Amino acid sequence: DSGVTQTPKHLITATGQRVTLRCSPRSGDLSVYWYQQSLDQGLQFLIQYYNGEERAKGNILERFSAQQFPDLHSELNLSSLELGDSALYFCASSVSRGNEQFFGPGTRLTVL
Amino acid sequence: DAKTTQPNSMESNEEEPVHLPCNHSTISGTDYIHWYRQLPSQGPEYVIHGLTSNVNNRMASLAIAEDRKSSTLILHRATLRDAAVYYCILRDVNSGYALNFGKGTSLLVTP
Repeated sequence: DSGVTQTPKHLITATGQRVTLRCSPRSGDLSVYWYQQSLDQGLQFLIQYYNGEERAKGNILERFSAQQFPDLHSELNLSSLELGDSALYFCASSVSRGNEQFFGPGTRLTVL
Repeated sequence: DAKTTQPNSMESNEEEPVHLPCNHSTISGTDYIHWYRQLPSQGPEYVIHGLTSNVNNRMASLAIAEDRKSSTLILHRATLRDAAVYYCILRDVNSGYALNFGKGTSLLVTP
């Protein structure tokens, strides 16, 4: 158990819909990262927050957005969902930006 | 980003040592070499990292070539639980700290 929790575990929805994935980092970790893992693209970095502020962006679509709240939990919002958005979404946290990252168990999103 | 090259797959017998290679010929002076692994149906897990010197921890050892253009992750006694995809990743301390996962090496451990 990494100490990072993600909810929900599974999510099934339809194209065009909007979903929110939630991540609670390990106690004391200020950095949160979001990654997407799909069969064809592998594990890809989406976005990083540090103590409530966005710090880095990766291959995140404009339809996706995220935020980190004062209690340090983070949410990833995916809108206008397409079939290709079906993937595993992982959240990771670290004490600060350079330290090892601890990954949650992931949320499996299926878009039908 | 400097890239890494790893074999697609490797196989090992249980209780034997495993040497997982990684080439990173374009590594820069500020790149740290990190290894993560992903067990089936789980999120990635940190294994070890180093800059220039060899490193040991409870999970594995990391041997870094003198010119830093390659490294080897060493599992001293493979167990069935070590079957996973192992990722060799370069992290530049000067620009962003996101992990750039490649395809990794899928390690199969047979009893």
